[in-house]
Amino acid sequence: EVQLVQSGPEVKKPGESLRISCKVSGYSFTLYWIAWVRQLPGKGPELMAKIDPSDSDTNYSPAFQGHVTVSSDKSTATAYLHWDSLEASDTAMYYCARLGNYGGNSNAFDIWGQGTMITVSS
Amino acid sequence: DIQMTQSPSSLSASVGDTVTITCRAGQTVSRSLHWYQQKPGKAPGLLIYAASTLKSGVPSRFSGSGSGTDFTLTISSLQPEDFATYYCQHSYSGHLFTFGPGTTVDLK
Repeated sequence: EVQLVQSGPEVKKPGESLRISCKVSGYSFTLYWIAWVRQLPGKGPELMAKIDPSDSDTNYSPAFQGHVTVSSDKSTATAYLHWDSLEASDTAMYYCARLGNYGGNSNAFDIWGQGTMITVSS
Repeated sequence: DIQMTQSPSSLSASVGDTVTITCRAGQTVSRSLHWYQQKPGKAPGLLIYAASTLKSGVPSRFSGSGSGTDFTLTISSLQPEDFATYYCQHSYSGHLFTFGPGTTVDLK
């Protein structure tokens, strides 16, 4: 069974660092990009960044560039999302998702992790 | 960025109804348009990719159509498990992949 399993919820203070994880199983980790998606309460999902686990090539959305870092580890089939300094506005649900290629430009998020809730509060 | 809009933002329907949700892109995305379903407390799940192709395992009462800038998701004979929020998302080359704001389908 193809699965993306994320690390558990976190409660952090502003200025703290954090790394959350997304462990992949059921398919070859290096065959598909992994994306990180933020969802604020009552809002639509937002693509933050994506990484190609085969060579660690990354793309960042401008709104998140410089604020987060994505990485991956082929040996453990795990993708990571890292913050150096959290802000209260980072409070949200974060999902990892596999980016499937369905031909041409049809890249859809076909498998999702269960989500990691991050709460940043003093 | 290509902005995505959806209408309506919410709708109320009964079991057995047919509902149609519209997604509009700010510029052409060809057929690089996908639909997701999200239930409260759960991750989104892919329903339809490339505008009209059902993901394996998705019931045939779901259908998608459109190309260019205008797309629709239709749910025929709405079932109790279909009450959820639906999002469209484009993946047009060279542009940031963006999602629409969502359409919530609830019970009338």
